Amino acid sequence: EVQLVESGGGLVQPGGSLRLSCAASGFTFSSYWMTWVRQAPGKGLEWVAKIMKDGTEKYYVDSVKGRFTISRDNAKNSLYLQMNSLGAEDTAVYYCARKDGDIWGQGTMVTVSS
Amino acid sequence: EIVLTQSPGTLSLSPGERATLSCRASQSVSSSHIAWHQQRPGQAPRLLIYGASFRATGIPDRFSGSGSGTGFTLTISRVEPEDFAVYYCHQYGSSPYTFGQGTKLEIK
Repeated sequence: EVQLVESGGGLVQPGGSLRLSCAASGFTFSSYWMTWVRQAPGKGLEWVAKIMKDGTEKYYVDSVKGRFTISRDNAKNSLYLQMNSLGAEDTAVYYCARKDGDIWGQGTMVTVSS
Repeated sequence: EIVLTQSPGTLSLSPGERATLSCRASQSVSSSHIAWHQQRPGQAPRLLIYGASFRATGIPDRFSGSGSGTGFTLTISRVEPEDFAVYYCHQYGSSPYTFGQGTKLEIK
């Protein structure tokens, strides 16, 4: 079964850091680009970042550039999102997705609050 | 950045009726890189349509997509009870990729 499972969410203080992980299974992870999308409580979807198959090309929404880093480990079938300098505006459910969203994980909640 | 505007914001229909959801882009979307996703309450999004008009695996044929350039449409020929959800259009042709604000399909 094709599956994506996110982890690493939680409560973090403003200015803090968090690293999200996404474990992929059921498909050849190294053959696909991957994406992070987030959804603030009660709001719509926001595309966050994308990484190409070999990790050499990365793209970000302006609001996270310089603070978030997307990465992957094809040997471990895993996708990551390192989030630094977190603010209240980063509070959201974070989803990893295969390609541009043909498969989605169940999401992990990140809450930034003191 | 390409801004996607969806209309209507809320669509109230009865089961069996036809649903027409619109997505307008602020500039032309390259190669019809438009997708539609469905999100039921408390669930992750699910891909319905990609490439503007191609149904994703396992999606019933009552769902169809059309359009090109700056105007795109998702049509549900006969709405089923499980179709009441929020629908998002998504452009993945030009970074930063963007989503519309969503159309909520609710039971009338």
